[in-house]
Amino acid sequence: GAGVSQSPRYKVTKRGQDVALRCDPISGHVSLYWYRQALGQGPEFLTYFNYEAQQDKSGLPNDRFSAERPEGSISTLTIQRTEQRDSAMYRCASSLADGVGEQYFGPGTRLTVT
Amino acid sequence: TQLLEQSPQFLSIQEGENLTVYCNSSSVFSSLQWYRQEPGEGPVLLVTVVTGGEVKKLKRLTFQFGDARKDSSLHITAAQPGDTGLYLCAGVRPSNTGKLIFGQGTTLQVKP
Repeated sequence: GAGVSQSPRYKVTKRGQDVALRCDPISGHVSLYWYRQALGQGPEFLTYFNYEAQQDKSGLPNDRFSAERPEGSISTLTIQRTEQRDSAMYRCASSLADGVGEQYFGPGTRLTVT
Repeated sequence: TQLLEQSPQFLSIQEGENLTVYCNSSSVFSSLQWYRQEPGEGPVLLVTVVTGGEVKKLKRLTFQFGDARKDSSLHITAAQPGDTGLYLCAGVRPSNTGKLIFGQGTTLQVKP
């Protein structure tokens, strides 16, 4: 299908390791968003891009978290020196443009830090 | 503290009953969206409301945006087991068009 895809779907890593989570948005979508979601809770905004420009990174918890979208399409969320508290579902979404438009969510990456 | 407060957080009802989920804030939003999420899946948009006082209907679901654009409600008539899921409201603040702020969600279980 032509939906948002994320990889890997599941990632188990040891505390202290770096991880990179990938998001492939719907083709042609200008805006790309990263969220973190706890079970049974609403997504928590992390950051978003319009094309390759990072517009807002106010939701990134600390400087171990970073994201990039160098060519305005695929994006990578990187977590350095992972900690157990980083364990969560990380979701990516894309939209035609920011504002009132619908965001299409990917299946998420379940990150477990042991 | 949550910028968007949803209530109730959990709701378990029998098939055929009506229910209302509330999404409240002290802040003004330029638009509010309602999403539904099933286990193992990402949220899927149900509706967007942008005008204060706006009412939108989607089959048995009725969505309302408050006059002051600070709150919204979702009413389901004659709930069915297929309505079971996590319902999320999400808003966009006028000052930050790209940042979607989600409520904490309402988990709905409809028993046959």
